[in-house]
Amino acid sequence: GESVGLHLPTLSVQEGDNSIINCAYSNSASDYFIWYKQESGKGPQFIIDIRSNMDKRQGQRVTVLLNKTVKHLSLQIAATQPGDSAVYFCAENPRSSGGSYIPTFGRGTSLIVHP
Amino acid sequence: EAGVTQFPSHSVIEKGQTVTLRCDPISGHDNLYWYRRVMGKEIKFLLHFVKESKQDESGMPNNRFLAERTGGTYSTLKVQPAELEDSGVYFCASREMGSPLHFGNGTRLTVT
Repeated sequence: GESVGLHLPTLSVQEGDNSIINCAYSNSASDYFIWYKQESGKGPQFIIDIRSNMDKRQGQRVTVLLNKTVKHLSLQIAATQPGDSAVYFCAENPRSSGGSYIPTFGRGTSLIVHP
Repeated sequence: EAGVTQFPSHSVIEKGQTVTLRCDPISGHDNLYWYRRVMGKEIKFLLHFVKESKQDESGMPNNRFLAERTGGTYSTLKVQPAELEDSGVYFCASREMGSPLHFGNGTRLTVT
C-alpha cells in the first residue's frame, strides 16, 4: 500500500555540520507535508511544514524541500547543534477513504550530533 | 495556551487487565487523533475524532480497543483485556483542520 518511509534510520553528524534527513512518500493525493522532532520522553513537536504548491520553505536553521516529481521530501538543518539530537519524522496528509485527513508517519530517523 | 495533556504518563499492567488512557486536547480543537508507536517502528494511526464523532477508526487494531470523546472535549482510549502486543507509547494529538498536529507527551503502556 501507499506509505511514508525514510532512507536512513540513523544519521550521525558533528556539531556545526549541516544535516539532511530524507523522506520518500508515495501517496499522490497528499498535498501537505510536515516535519516533526521527537525528543526522548516527549511527543513529536512541529518543526516546519510545506504545501504541495511550493518546493522549498525556510525556517530558522531549517529548510524543507519538496520534489513532487519523485515524491521526495527532505529536511535540512544548518549548523547542527547537540540540542538537535532527536528522532525526526516526516508526515504526509492524505485524505482517507472515510473522507478525513489523516497525517501518516514514517518510522523516523534518529539524528545524533557529536560535540 | 495549554498544550495537549495525557494521563497517565506510564502504565504497567498485567495481561488480561484493563487500562484507560486519557487525553485532553487543546481547547477549541475539534480534531483529535490517537496514534501508537511500538519500539523502533513508525507512529501508527489509530483513530480520528471530529468533535464527539468518530470520523475514522480504521487504525484500531481490534475490538479490545474502545475510544470515546465525551461532549467533544477530552478523550479516553480503553484497552480491555490488554495483551502483550499492546505495549507501546500511545500518543494523542489535536489540531484545527489544515494545521499541524499538536501532540501530547504520550502514555507508555507496558503489558507484562
